[in-house]
Amino acid sequence: KAGVTQTPRYLIKTRGQQVTLSCSPISGHRSVSWYQQTPGQGLQFLFEYFSETQRNKGNFPGRFSGRQFSNSRSEMNVSTLELGDSALYLCASSLGLENEKLFFGSGTQLSVL
Amino acid sequence: AQSVTQLDSHVSVSEGTPVLLRCNYSSSYSPSLFWYVQHPNKGLQLLLKYTSAATLVKGINGFEAEFKKSETSFHLTKPSAHMSDAAEYFCVVSYSGNTGKLIFGQGTTLQVKP
Repeated sequence: KAGVTQTPRYLIKTRGQQVTLSCSPISGHRSVSWYQQTPGQGLQFLFEYFSETQRNKGNFPGRFSGRQFSNSRSEMNVSTLELGDSALYLCASSLGLENEKLFFGSGTQLSVL
Repeated sequence: AQSVTQLDSHVSVSEGTPVLLRCNYSSSYSPSLFWYVQHPNKGLQLLLKYTSAATLVKGINGFEAEFKKSETSFHLTKPSAHMSDAAEYFCVVSYSGNTGKLIFGQGTTLQVKP
């Protein structure tokens, strides 16, 4: 069974641009969650999608958005990039049950110059 | 607020000696507790999960953790460290009513010396 796949692996953008990251969950998983990892703030929850609906949300500004498609693949978009958005963005998938373990992808390393 | 605290940001042990990584959680509700490991330039891998079936939880690669409600702790241990155990370890909590949302500790870097 293939794991969680995130593309691209690395991205370099400049301030003010926007970026879209992609995540393909494990086959059969309907929940996709996104996390931001930085040296200063650690790992922080962005949002979770289940059956194409955002079901849970963290404390990030509206510049961070996402969506999920009918095949459970998910995209995350960040608009008007800021230097502080430089981070490793991790996607995780699961069946969507409460308190279950998540399976993580290797992440997309975003650098904003 | 729901939170988890890892008491050591960095732990250094010699190969073959025991490992202890400490974690405390806030006790607002009955949590689900996890330990994840992250090797350099890799994603997070689940080591073990506390499910309330037993207070001593065995995980992969010889790791185990003990849930102590009275101390609100969930420390990770391993009897004998191996060089391949060098990585970042995260204590993670999830509370009832939250799907997909894990609360991570700040992480503990484990260094294993030969």
